[in-house]
Amino acid sequence: QKEVEQNSGPLSVPEGAIASLNCTYSDRGSQSFFWYRQYSGKSPELIMSIYSNGDKEDGRFTAQLNKASQYVSLLIRDSQPSDSATYLCAVYSSASKIIFGSGTRLSIRP
Amino acid sequence: DAGVTQSPTHLIKTRGQQVTLRCSPKSGHDTVSWYQQALGQGPQFIFQYYEEEERQRGNFPDRFSGHQFPNYSSELNVNALLLGDSALYLCASSPPGQLNIYGYTFGSGTRLTVV
Repeated sequence: QKEVEQNSGPLSVPEGAIASLNCTYSDRGSQSFFWYRQYSGKSPELIMSIYSNGDKEDGRFTAQLNKASQYVSLLIRDSQPSDSATYLCAVYSSASKIIFGSGTRLSIRP
Repeated sequence: DAGVTQSPTHLIKTRGQQVTLRCSPKSGHDTVSWYQQALGQGPQFIFQYYEEEERQRGNFPDRFSGHQFPNYSSELNVNALLLGDSALYLCASSPPGQLNIYGYTFGSGTRLTVV
């Protein structure tokens, strides 16, 4: 079992719709969770972090965390073409290191 | 305020050679980690440096080694290069004791091609 699992996609969403990205993790002792956006050929950029169960909103982005189910998600509202990128789920594990999933490729179609 | 800087940007090496990649963390950051990202994959954790010591290590062979200097800058060395070492190598830094809060800030990476 991979430590952090994501659907590789591609996920295709029409412009203006909600994009929903999901992630599961295996380490129950994980404390913090991050979403990074990575454009093709570029390095990852942190867009959201979440530490407690529930929702955290920042502009068009909402991160959701359910520790009991070991599940993290990212919602992007009013999707724009500029949101087309790979989204990486990252987990700060009980071993004090950050582990990344393989990423979900998101494509926003006009 | 300079972010994380890495050099060189691109590098082509021959199988069997050795390579050194360099990283300067963001100002105020003291923890540095290195990741390897193959095409179409997520970043794979190589190791983490703090207070000039390797604190954590991922599942990478001893051919991968590193160093952290007193000014928090870091080097990644790879010996006996294999074709499979071709990847984007990412350096990431974090503020003191706050990796679990702020995550990492990444440099722009070094694209290593082994031929």
